[in-house]
Amino acid sequence: KAGVTQTPRYLIKTRGQQVTLSCSPISGHRSVSWYQQTPGQGLQFLFEYFSETQRNKGNFPGRFSGRQFSNSRSEMNVSTLELGDSALYLCASSLEVNEKLFFGSGTQLSVL
Amino acid sequence: GNSVTQMEGPVTLSEEAFLTINCTYTATGYPSLFWYVQYPGEGLQLLLKATKADDKGSNKGFEATYRKETTSFHLEKGSVQVSDSAVYFCALILSGGYQKVTFGTGTKLQVIP
Repeated sequence: KAGVTQTPRYLIKTRGQQVTLSCSPISGHRSVSWYQQTPGQGLQFLFEYFSETQRNKGNFPGRFSGRQFSNSRSEMNVSTLELGDSALYLCASSLEVNEKLFFGSGTQLSVL
Repeated sequence: GNSVTQMEGPVTLSEEAFLTINCTYTATGYPSLFWYVQYPGEGLQLLLKATKADDKGSNKGFEATYRKETTSFHLEKGSVQVSDSAVYFCALILSGGYQKVTFGTGTKLQVIP
């Protein structure tokens, strides 16, 4: 069974641009959550989707948004990028909510 | 709110040394507790878990016991290997409804030969 797939693996953008990251969960998993990982802040929860509905949201500005499609694939979008958005963005899927998470390798975003 | 506190890293140990990484938590309900591990360049992987007080989670020689009285879930291994070098995250999730996972800040372990 294929694991959680995140694309692209690396991304370089400039301030003010917008970016879309993609996550394909493990087949059959309906819950997808997103995390931002930085050396200073550790893992910060962004949001979680279950069956195309956002179930939980972290404390991030409205520039960060996401969605989930009917096949459980998920995208997150960051608009008007800032230097501080440089981070590793991790996606995780689980079979149901509140179950163990399976993580992708992440997308390393650098904002110049 | 819920929170997880881990010991600051990095932790540097010689091969075959004993490992303890401390983790304490604050939760408004009855959480399940987890340890995840992140190897360089990869995402996190579940290492072990415990769902109720006095449960012991174990995997790959690592162990952690859910201590409700001290709100702790310390990770231990009797003899570390170079291949254990990674970042370790303690985490909790409350039961019931749609709860988000709360992670600690991570503790980097470096094992030297």
